[in-house]
Amino acid sequence: ETGVTQSPTHLIKTRGQQVTLRCSSQSGHNTVSWYQQALGQGPQFIFQYYREEENGRGNFPPRFSGLQFPNYSSELNVNALELDDSALYLCASSRQGADYEQYFGPGTRLTVT
Amino acid sequence: GEDVEQSLFLSVREGDSSVINCTYTDSSSTYLYWYKQEPGAGLQLLTYIFSNMDMKQDQRLTVLLNKKDKHLSLRIADTQTGDSAIYFCAETNTGGFKTIFGAGTRLFVKA
Repeated sequence: ETGVTQSPTHLIKTRGQQVTLRCSSQSGHNTVSWYQQALGQGPQFIFQYYREEENGRGNFPPRFSGLQFPNYSSELNVNALELDDSALYLCASSRQGADYEQYFGPGTRLTVT
Repeated sequence: GEDVEQSLFLSVREGDSSVINCTYTDSSSTYLYWYKQEPGAGLQLLTYIFSNMDMKQDQRLTVLLNKKDKHLSLRIADTQTGDSAIYFCAETNTGGFKTIFGAGTRLFVKA
């Protein structure tokens, strides 16, 4: 059984640029959630996707957007990057109906300069 | 609003028991979790408990839930140096799409 994978592992961008982060769900999982973890803090929920539709959203502006593909892989896009977007971005997958068991990927460390 | 609070640090000696505490505010919490994060890594789901349970035991881990006081604890028996990590308490409410995390408790295990 393949776990959750994310790419890239590290990324450096400049303020104002756009970034795309990728996630492959664990085999058999059809729901994906994205979280932002700033240094020294707990993860903050960004949004969740199920059946290629956004299923719920946290308190993040519209410049944070996502996609889920038919194979359940997912992308997180962030436009107009700000310095405060520097964080570890975590992807978690789960099965619909068993959302209580979320499995996290290793994360992508984004640095905005 | 929804909030999860934890103490920031805990230091124990190897072989002792560790108890990490957490309080939450959302009375509609359905599932409560403990995750472990090692340096530079993602989150590992350690265990979870349904809100209609009081206790759950899994090998060295014991989770206690006091729903009346909205208090969750994680006890690690025979703590080892490999248990040194950050432990996050989290909750999901009915509806299930949003998980709220605490800021994490950093556990130091002294040899």
